[in-house]
Amino acid sequence: DAMVIQNPRYQVTQFGKPVTLSCSQTLNHNVMYWYQQKSSQAPKLLFHYYDKDFNNEADTPDNFQSRRPNTSFCFLDIRSPGLGDAAMYLCATSLTSGRDTQYFGPGTRLTVL
Amino acid sequence: AQSVTQPDIHITVSEGASLELRCNYSYGATPYLFWYVQSPGQGLQLLLKYFSGDTLVQGIKGFEAEFKRSQSSFNLRKPSVHWSDAAEYFCAVGAYSGGFKTIFGAGTRLFVKA
Repeated sequence: DAMVIQNPRYQVTQFGKPVTLSCSQTLNHNVMYWYQQKSSQAPKLLFHYYDKDFNNEADTPDNFQSRRPNTSFCFLDIRSPGLGDAAMYLCATSLTSGRDTQYFGPGTRLTVL
Repeated sequence: AQSVTQPDIHITVSEGASLELRCNYSYGATPYLFWYVQSPGQGLQLLLKYFSGDTLVQGIKGFEAEFKRSQSSFNLRKPSVHWSDAAEYFCAVGAYSGGFKTIFGAGTRLFVKA
């Protein structure tokens, strides 16, 4: 049974055209994370929500926004994608904090043309 | 700030052979340490974690890791590798720094040959 679901699995967008990636979870976890993972690199945390509290990493570009309308869903909005934003985007959840096991979705592969 | 180094970008082992993946961390206090595995097309899955106590930690799928404070290491081991273990392995360190932060290493890709 899938616990963290990401849609779509593959997304192609044009340079500068806004795109939204979706993540949903069936675990009822308080914390949801968005990571960016470029080829052969470590996942890099963009931001996370603790319940409704939004926490942005200091080096996350303003081009990246996020919404969490309820416990189950979290969205990543890229307002004006550049070629450098092409990457795998991973969503993860944990029960209450980063000390808890993080459960990852399969990721969305974003291509920017 | 904490950091993680995985010295080996990729490793190839024969099926049935033993495996050790290296991980070194940098952090002033005792860190929280994790190993995750990522199979192709899938998300990361936790193999094991260390917070305190016994420095030899058992995980899923027959993996174990040993925390060595003197060497700032948290190496992952498996006595006998199976072809299905071929994947990318990430070591991660977590610590409280204005909230709990988890930093991942760059990963080691494991290839298993018959």
